[in-house]
Amino acid sequence: QKEVEQDPGPLSVPEGAIVSLNCTYSNSAFQYFMWYRQYSRKGPELLMYTYSSGNKEDGRFTAQVDKSSKYISLFIRDSQPSDSATYLCAMMKGNEKLTFGTGTRLTIIP
Amino acid sequence: ETGVTQTPRHLVMGMTNKKSLKCEQHLGHNAMYWYKQSAKKPLELMFVYNFKEQTENNSVPSRFSPECPNSSHLFLHLHTLQPEDSALYLCASTSNPLRDGNTEAFFGQGTRLTVV
Repeated sequence: QKEVEQDPGPLSVPEGAIVSLNCTYSNSAFQYFMWYRQYSRKGPELLMYTYSSGNKEDGRFTAQVDKSSKYISLFIRDSQPSDSATYLCAMMKGNEKLTFGTGTRLTIIP
Repeated sequence: ETGVTQTPRHLVMGMTNKKSLKCEQHLGHNAMYWYKQSAKKPLELMFVYNFKEQTENNSVPSRFSPECPNSSHLFLHLHTLQPEDSALYLCASTSNPLRDGNTEAFFGQGTRLTVV
C-alpha cells in the first residue's frame, strides 16, 4: 500500500465551480500536510501548509486535515482558468523527508 | 522565479553518454535535494544534501552520481542510463534541513530528460 494515495485525474470543471481535491494516507505519524501547485513546465510551488488536524483558509483556497480518517482536502472556490495546474499533496513526519502524492491534474474550463 | 535555477531544461542522451544536470540556488539555503518525477507517480526523493554533506541516498542506482561543491550548487552526473530513467528531474532547496515547522521547499523548473 502506498503511503499517500491521490487520484491522478484528470479533473475538468467549469469556471466558477468549487473544486475538491483529496489525498488519503496510511501513516498516522504524519503531522505536517502541504499542497503544492505545479503549472505545466514548471516546478511545484507551496500553496498551503497545515499542521495536524483542522482547517486553514487563504483567499479562495481552504485546506482541511482529518487525522482520524487520514484524509486531507483542498477546496478551491470560484475556480479560475489560472487555477489549471497539477496539485500535489505532500506530508511530513517531522524529519527530512516529504512524501508526495501522484498529483491531480486539474483543468478549469472557461 | 523561485530562486532555484536548473540547466539544461531539456536533455536527450543515449544510453552510453555521460551528462550532468546543474542546479543553482540564490536563496542562501543550506539544504538541497534531487527529486525524480515520472508520469502518474509521486515525486521520488533521490538525494539530500545538508550543509554540503550528503545525508540521504534513497537507494538510487549508481548510474546517478550527485555532487555538491558548495551550499549554492548541486549537480547530478549521469552515465549509462536506461530508457526508464527518462523523467523530469527536479532540484529543490530549503533554508535548513526539513524539520518541524520548516516545510517550504523551493523547486527549480526541472530538467526533462529523455534517454534513447
